[in-house]
Amino acid sequence: QKEVEQDPGPLSVPEGAIVSLNCTYSNSAFQYFMWYRQYSRKGPELLMYTYSSGNKEDGRFTAQVDKSSKYISLFIRDSQPSDSATYLCAASGSARQLTFGSGTQLTVLP
Amino acid sequence: NAGVTQTPKFQVLKTGQSMTLQCAQDMNHNSMYWYRQDPGMGLRLIYYSASEGTTDKGEVPNGYNVSRLNKREFSLRLESAAPSQTSVYFCASKLLAGSYYQETQYFGPGTRLLVL
Repeated sequence: QKEVEQDPGPLSVPEGAIVSLNCTYSNSAFQYFMWYRQYSRKGPELLMYTYSSGNKEDGRFTAQVDKSSKYISLFIRDSQPSDSATYLCAASGSARQLTFGSGTQLTVLP
Repeated sequence: NAGVTQTPKFQVLKTGQSMTLQCAQDMNHNSMYWYRQDPGMGLRLIYYSASEGTTDKGEVPNGYNVSRLNKREFSLRLESAAPSQTSVYFCASKLLAGSYYQETQYFGPGTRLLVL
């Protein structure tokens, strides 16, 4: 079993929809949680970062961590075609290495 | 600033051939990383270098070697390529290995490797 599990999708939504992307993890030592966005044939780029449990909001994006259920979520409000990408969740306990989920491919249809 | 650069962008190898993937960063970062990305597997860490002069194994180091040539450059070598090493390889860098505050790993554009 992978330490970070992520539904690969693909997920297709109409423009303006609220998108929910989710991951689960198994390592109780994880305390740093990140979401990366990866456009086709590009390297990943950091989208959101949270430490321990709680919510963090940045514009249309909200990252949520529930350590009691080992659940990581990313919400995208008012989704745009430019949000079409693969979203990777990642977690770490030591701050030295990241463990990535397999990624969810999202398409936002105009 | 170019950020993180990788060469080559694409390479085809025959089984048993060797090659070196090059990575360089111009952000004065201390830590550098090599990942491979395969469908359904996400990004998996091959090797990393927390600082110049040090290297450590990641999750999938077998079949690879690395060299931290200087602070800017971190190369990945395949001594005898196998079809299982067909993948997209990403290099990343980070200011400090052990700190997360307002820091992130910056990724290069990737090298697509096909081993026949």
